[in-house]
Amino acid sequence: EPEVTQTPSHQVTQMGQEVILRCVPISNHLYFYWYRQILGQKVEFLVSFYNNEISEKSEIFDDQFSVERPDGSNFTLKIRSTKLEDSAMYFCASRQETQYFGPGTRLLVL
Amino acid sequence: AQSVSQHNHHVILSEAASLELGCNYSYGGTVNLFWYVQYPGQHLQLLLKYFSGDPLVKGIKGFEAEFIKSKFSFNLRKPSVQWSDTAEYFCAVKRPGANNLFFGTGTRLTVIP
Repeated sequence: EPEVTQTPSHQVTQMGQEVILRCVPISNHLYFYWYRQILGQKVEFLVSFYNNEISEKSEIFDDQFSVERPDGSNFTLKIRSTKLEDSAMYFCASRQETQYFGPGTRLLVL
Repeated sequence: AQSVSQHNHHVILSEAASLELGCNYSYGGTVNLFWYVQYPGQHLQLLLKYFSGDPLVKGIKGFEAEFIKSKFSFNLRKPSVQWSDTAEYFCAVKRPGANNLFFGTGTRLTVIP
């Protein structure tokens, strides 16, 4: 069964550094998403991407965040200057009809 | 505020006990409803979904959920839980016209052998 994959599984970074989280969505899916889950809190929507552009974003997704689909398979989330409060689990998802989630990247900002 | 509520934060059951996890949402109009499960160390997996039709939805691993429109609820049930059902369970709602999912805070289920 096809799966959404994410790399790395864990990332530790210093505050102010840039991080890029990578996702490979399921190949015939057209919609892509990033969500995050701060420890002990609910899963929160960040951004959706369709037809090579952002289709929707939440108030969390400010100017320090960006997404890109640099080639036909990868979908990346970049955080330009990380803050302590960016520490969270970041989930990628893709869908045709139903969203399928990747295993997540645990980001720790020190 | 519009939201998805899961009132049970942590449920502890013995094997073979029956399970019901509550989910309420506050969005108007037609919604799509989902239950996802996250086993320890694993990613979110779809248990079941409701788009339309029969409000009693059957999912994988013996789970089912009932959509009650008048109560804005989509409770998850399983008649007899197993130790392997120990996981975090998330209810999610897709509002009409929206692309993304809104999640509840999750319910941690611990099944004691």
